[in-house]
Amino acid sequence: DAGVTQSPTHLIKTRGQHVTLRCSPISGHKSVSWYQQVLGQGPQFIFQYYEKEERGRGNFPDRFSARQFPNYSSELNVNALLLGDSALYLCASSRAGEPQHFGDGTRLSIL
Amino acid sequence: EDQVTQSPEALRLQEGESSSLNCSYTVSGLRGLFWYRQDPGKGPEFLFTLYSAGEEKEKERLKATLTKKESFLHITAPKPEDSATYLCAVQAMNYGGATNKLIFGTGTLLAVQP
Repeated sequence: DAGVTQSPTHLIKTRGQHVTLRCSPISGHKSVSWYQQVLGQGPQFIFQYYEKEERGRGNFPDRFSARQFPNYSSELNVNALLLGDSALYLCASSRAGEPQHFGDGTRLSIL
Repeated sequence: EDQVTQSPEALRLQEGESSSLNCSYTVSGLRGLFWYRQDPGKGPEFLFTLYSAGEEKEKERLKATLTKKESFLHITAPKPEDSATYLCAVQAMNYGGATNKLIFGTGTLLAVQP
């Protein structure tokens, strides 16, 4: 079975731009979560979506938003990009009550 | 505030030299403790979930244990292919609807030399 797939794999943007990152969960997984991983740190929770509804939000500004589609895929949007937004953005999916499985992420670089 | 601390930050072992990685946690009501392995340029790969003190899980050369304050990842006779960053994360009962929210430590970078 295919794992969690994320696109694009790499992205370069400049300050002030916006970006959309995409995630396709493992088949049968209805929950999708987004994490930000800065170099040398552990992943930090951004959002969780389940059945297209936001179930939780981490300590991130309103510039960060997300949504989940009827096929359970998800998008993460970041507006007004800052240099500090440079990171690896990870998507994870799971069935209810089961461990999360991560994709290989989108490496976002802000110039 | 929920917190996870991993030690050491980095560990270098010779092939076959067994050791342990530590994960200390503070959480208001533990739902589960998770171990992941992360290779460079990749996402975390799930290894184990532990739910209650005294629980143990094993997979090949890895064994995870849990107490009320910490978890250990024991690596027996490691091989070079075990080289990776090992991440520990906790999930608390008080995150409301965010049932999947994980709090991660900063990881232990393990290098196993032949």
